[in-house]
Amino acid sequence: GDSVTQMEGPVTLSEEAFLTINCTYTATGYPSLFWYVQYPGEGLQLLLKATKADDKGSNKGFEATYRKETTSFHLEKGSVQVSDSAVYFCASEGTGFQKLVFGTGTRLLVSP
Amino acid sequence: KAGVTQTPRYLIKTRGQQVTLSCSPISGHRSVSWYQQTPGQGLQFLFEYFSETQRNKGNFPGRFSGRQFSNSRSEMNVSTLELGDSALYLCASSLKRASGYNEQFFGPGTRLTVL
Repeated sequence: GDSVTQMEGPVTLSEEAFLTINCTYTATGYPSLFWYVQYPGEGLQLLLKATKADDKGSNKGFEATYRKETTSFHLEKGSVQVSDSAVYFCASEGTGFQKLVFGTGTRLLVSP
Repeated sequence: KAGVTQTPRYLIKTRGQQVTLSCSPISGHRSVSWYQQTPGQGLQFLFEYFSETQRNKGNFPGRFSGRQFSNSRSEMNVSTLELGDSALYLCASSLKRASGYNEQFFGPGTRLTVL
């Protein structure tokens, strides 16, 4: 069945460090892919998305490229800030109407 | 435009009771989806409603049910609560476009604790 695997956390970085959070997916066909962010006590916010192979999603300095050859959608940011501390979820479009399949989430902690 | 609202935000129940959670979608959104978030199982899809009809359902027991009203507001119900039902329940709404996946906007969630 459809599934999403992302790297375990927490990921601990110093401010201005480079961030990579790995994400791979298994699915039939080519689903849309997403990164969501969850701040403490809040719901999920869409960070970026890509709807077809080789698409690059970007937002607020974060980027991810849809790689069908490696079935991956890794999240990157060149210089993280303390305010980026949150839990990041990779997700793929699932089977049927409006279903998202999520990874387990990766907690990012950025220290000054 | 107001976002997705969920009520109540926090709820404490005891085993065997039932609970009803409410979700009001963004104005104009007609699709509502529900997800359960737990530390052990992560985020899992419960079901999706559009125009008062359930169009998709996840792999949850029949104790979990939902409905949608004509104004697109949705409720989910869990009967005979178990300790394992303790979770953050998230609701998401989306517009209905002609085809394909429609971006979902999430509410802040209802934190259910079962004692």
